Amino acid sequence: GAVVSQHPSWVICKSGTSVKIECRSLDFQATTMFWYRQFPKQSLMLMATSNEGSKATYEQGVEKDKFLINHASLTLSTLTVTSAHPEDSSFYICSASRSGMVSDTQYFGPGTRLTVL
Amino acid sequence: AQKITQTQPGMFVQEKEAVTLDCTYDTSDPSYGLFWYKQPSSGEMIFLIYQGSYDQQNATEGRYSLNFQKARKSANLVISASQLGDSAMYFCAMREGLSSASKIIFGSGTRLSIRP
Repeated sequence: GAVVSQHPSWVICKSGTSVKIECRSLDFQATTMFWYRQFPKQSLMLMATSNEGSKATYEQGVEKDKFLINHASLTLSTLTVTSAHPEDSSFYICSASRSGMVSDTQYFGPGTRLTVL
Repeated sequence: AQKITQTQPGMFVQEKEAVTLDCTYDTSDPSYGLFWYKQPSSGEMIFLIYQGSYDQQNATEGRYSLNFQKARKSANLVISASQLGDSAMYFCAMREGLSSASKIIFGSGTRLSIRP
């Protein structure tokens, strides 16, 4: 149980276009989802915390107008990279927490590799 | 503010030997959780082990154990009888508070390479 999927697994786009990444909890309800970005050979950096039905909380230094997050249901959160540029090329990973669970891990999706040309 | 420090960028270990990966943390919250994750080259994050700040016993999961030294604020991961498949990046992480809705912050990671 506790499976999280991401779609697409990889995407290549042209500079200036927008890209949407989906994160789904397949077999549990996730009140809270998290979005991370990981550059090559670096750690995961938290971008934002997404709560179902409310606005996301962004970490310091993350542009909320560039990285649009929507958490419309208990099983789906989306990250849209608007007007993508080559410096946005990265590995984007989402994770989800099971609702009502204490001392539980987050469950990570397999990640989405974004390449902006 | 919470902080996680991993001081070993890379480690080489002979197969079948035990290995300890270091992790220190800093937080002012008395309630927190500590995690270790493994990230192979495929990129997926694999949860290994969890230790809560109020847990009296060190956590163990198969070949993984967490050496929790609360006073020293350290949470080292011990892998016994290492295997070739253990070669990967390992991240120590911390969550302030015990709710699964709180964010998890990651250390910089340690790349573990197992020699045959």
